[in-house]
Amino acid sequence: AQSVAQPEDQVNVAEGNPLTVKCTYSVSGNPYLFWYVQYPNRGLQFLLKYITGDNLVKGSYGFEAEFNKSQTSFHLKKPSALVSDSALYFCAVRDNSGGGADGLTFGKGTHLIIQP
Amino acid sequence: GAGVSQSPSNKVTEKGKDVELRCDPISGHTALYWYRQSLGQGLEFLIYFQGNSAPDKSGLPSDRFSAERTGGSVSTLTIQRTQQEDSAVYLCASSSYSPSNEQFFGPGTRLTVL
Repeated sequence: AQSVAQPEDQVNVAEGNPLTVKCTYSVSGNPYLFWYVQYPNRGLQFLLKYITGDNLVKGSYGFEAEFNKSQTSFHLKKPSALVSDSALYFCAVRDNSGGGADGLTFGKGTHLIIQP
Repeated sequence: GAGVSQSPSNKVTEKGKDVELRCDPISGHTALYWYRQSLGQGLEFLIYFQGNSAPDKSGLPSDRFSAERTGGSVSTLTIQRTQQEDSAVYLCASSSYSPSNEQFFGPGTRLTVL
């Protein structure tokens, strides 16, 4: 079975400071990892993904994430936070070995609040 | 081009009634997914369609839930004899076929069962 943990329900960061939203995962095979963002009353928007190759992946709106196989983590980062980054962030995993469900398994989500 | 669309945006129904939720995927996307988002359970995978293959129904919570996809495009999620615990936002997503491709989500249908 595959699973995702986002240990923080909420992260508070001052505008201009770096931000990190944590994610760890568990799969039986190798993972495909994704980050999505959800703004109030909106659907999920794709930010970035890790499939293979370089452990540091860059995505939309200046976000990046680092895949760490030994720690089974895929933390989302941004060097300088903006108030407009305030939203609900979801980490998701899919097992690429074909042994898991075909859908994505999501974490519970982390509310990111950027304070002016 | 147009994104994933879902209808209705909101649905209020009485306990015991049947409801149908519709999803129009992005044109050309062969993979279609249904998810449910609720406060207590977070985001849950429900069902997956890929082309003309048999759907992956492993996430459906009970036999009251069913879905079909006609002509490889539009999909309908049906919930029979709705219960209050079915209240949630139902999200549809589509993607080009490959497990590594990102899914594009629709705005969702908010279902309230009274």
